Amino acid sequence: DARVTQTPRHKVTEMGQEVTMRCQPILGHNTVFWYRQTMMQGLELLAYFRNRAPLDDSGMPKDRFSAEMPDATLATLKIQPSEPRDSAVYFCASVRDADTEAFFGQGTRLTVV
Amino acid sequence: AQSVTQLDSQVPVFEEAPVELRCNYSSSVSVYLFWYVQYPNQGLQLLLKYLSGSTLVKGINGFEAEFNKSQTSFHLRKPSVHISDTAEYFCAVSSTGGGNKLTFGTGTQLKVEL
Repeated sequence: DARVTQTPRHKVTEMGQEVTMRCQPILGHNTVFWYRQTMMQGLELLAYFRNRAPLDDSGMPKDRFSAEMPDATLATLKIQPSEPRDSAVYFCASVRDADTEAFFGQGTRLTVV
Repeated sequence: AQSVTQLDSQVPVFEEAPVELRCNYSSSVSVYLFWYVQYPNQGLQLLLKYLSGSTLVKGINGFEAEFNKSQTSFHLRKPSVHISDTAEYFCAVSSTGGGNKLTFGTGTQLKVEL
């Protein structure tokens, strides 16, 4: 059963610390998205990649967030330094280019205290 | 640019009653339309999608939705809900021009009561 895998599922960290979230897209999917979900803003697109190249990261605060795809099986989202307002659930999703259905991971729930 | 409006943030309904969750969208280009469901502490799962063709689309778990181009709507319906349908439902659009980038509505919490 193919699925998008995100780690960790939960993360509690102190303000100022670096946080790295990881995503393993479904094998064969060449487009990867990072979304953030909060009560106030709902689901926001942070960044996305196609064939490992960043296509759009306009939704990300550039000064503290960075997203990369070191290889086709791993996408990372890093926050440095983290702030309490970054507390949210971060979702990764992947899709095969020829398809339209995006498959979502179970999310990383981040709490910054 | 696209936007999606889900006017109802919460919809309470009794079990076995029908339900409709409303979705309106705005876009300057042609779009694909989707409904996703999110169960507590889970990711989003696709319920159904409209790409082209028949405006009435059927999805999983007995849900269906109708695309109305003139009203720019894509309302989700189920004739008889079950307790297990309690979840958050998101309407989303993406451009037919490619990219698969989804723009989501703010979600509707469906609460099914006995």
